[in-house]
Amino acid sequence: EIVMTQSPATLSVSPGDGATLSCRASQTVSRNLAWYQQKPGQAPRLLIYGASTRASGLPARFSASGSGTRFTLTISSLQSEDFAVYYCQQYDNLPPSWTFGQGTKVEIK
Amino acid sequence: QVTLKESGPVLVKPTETLTLTCTVSGFSLSNGRMSVSWIRQPPGKALEWLAHIFSDDQKSYQTSLKSRLTISKDTSKSQVVLTMTNVDPADTATYYCARSLLQFHYAMDVWGQGTTVTVSS
Repeated sequence: EIVMTQSPATLSVSPGDGATLSCRASQTVSRNLAWYQQKPGQAPRLLIYGASTRASGLPARFSASGSGTRFTLTISSLQSEDFAVYYCQQYDNLPPSWTFGQGTKVEIK
Repeated sequence: QVTLKESGPVLVKPTETLTLTCTVSGFSLSNGRMSVSWIRQPPGKALEWLAHIFSDDQKSYQTSLKSRLTISKDTSKSQVVLTMTNVDPADTATYYCARSLLQFHYAMDVWGQGTTVTVSS
């Protein structure tokens, strides 16, 4: 079973600054990697799929990269609405399974 | 407009069986490019994938919970049902269903609002 490890657990950032979130897989997941944003009391929202493709309507300040086992989500110039918990998630097709990381909380500094 | 909505009991007693229903609209459960997962989130904790069902009725389960989970679908009713046997207080969580898209590398593009389940005597 693939284990996803996110770092850091908490990131304190000032509005307007940038943030870089990391996600590492215990074995290669190719580009079957997604990022989600979750705000308190809400369902997660898909941000990125295929490791680097932004979901429809996602602002360009969100970007993502990586392949294999190491992935990054970058948020440039954080806005107030970006403070949330971010999860990475992998899909493995042999057999089909999905795994989430433990999340990174981006909080206001 | 694509929507998913979870329904089920709010409170379940330990050792009982939990049955949750996900009613979808805006797409068909027979569409080969789409499929549905169940995910849960204990209070204050991370998301945990539980089970998935494809259009061809292929099913996948989280390894550690496989013996307790059953996922099924009724395409005519646009419903996906998850049953969890022998529940424990550790199963207290918000349970979500979500759609996965083949072209999105099976990422989950639309989520239900979630349904909160408490396991307690």
